[in-house]
Amino acid sequence: GEDVEQSLFLSVREGDSSVINCTYTDSSSTYLYWYKQEPGAGLQLLTYIFSNMDMKQDQRLTVLLNKKDKHLSLRIADTQTGDSAIYFCAVTTTGNQFYFGTGTSLTVIP
Amino acid sequence: DAGITQSPRHKVTETGTPVTLRCHQTENHRYMYWYRQDPGHGLRLIHYSYGVKDTDKGEVSDGYSVSRSKTEDFLLTLESATSSQTSVYFCAISESRTSGRNEQFFGPGTRLTVL
Repeated sequence: GEDVEQSLFLSVREGDSSVINCTYTDSSSTYLYWYKQEPGAGLQLLTYIFSNMDMKQDQRLTVLLNKKDKHLSLRIADTQTGDSAIYFCAVTTTGNQFYFGTGTSLTVIP
Repeated sequence: DAGITQSPRHKVTETGTPVTLRCHQTENHRYMYWYRQDPGHGLRLIHYSYGVKDTDKGEVSDGYSVSRSKTEDFLLTLESATSSQTSVYFCAISESRTSGRNEQFFGPGTRLTVL
């Protein structure tokens, strides 16, 4: 199966950019996703990228994909206190298999 | 937001008792999943369903069973709850698209405590 790795914690100051990283092992991954989980809530889909893309931008969010290194990142510009949450990357391969990372807890310091 | 509800939202029970958690969807999605979330482990798949009466095991299925008699409902049963099953349980749904973009949508979760 697929191994999806994330660092557990990240702290940034309000107004700075946050970069959350994710690595995966299966080169046949097709779609890659970022989810956000706020305290006491379920996971919300933030954005996704198809494997033939290098970058996708959506307002303050930028997703970068390096297929050669099997590395996915999520950049949040002008990070706000409301961005404090756990961020999960997830990947799918053929056959509807879905794999989650362990999640990165982002703390935004005012 | 996808129409997914989970019940109950919170439950405290005693070791050895049976527990059933319910997931209900209004999206008519084919796939339904049960995950548990524990600190340091992220999300771990317990069981999933790919249609009515069609289910399969995930990576942590021991001690759990599931049933899906209708498209909209997916039940998770702990036949005899143990303290190691104290966790937050999430239900998720997804369509089955030929494009392969099959993102999952999550319910609000059920916090289960087994004393």
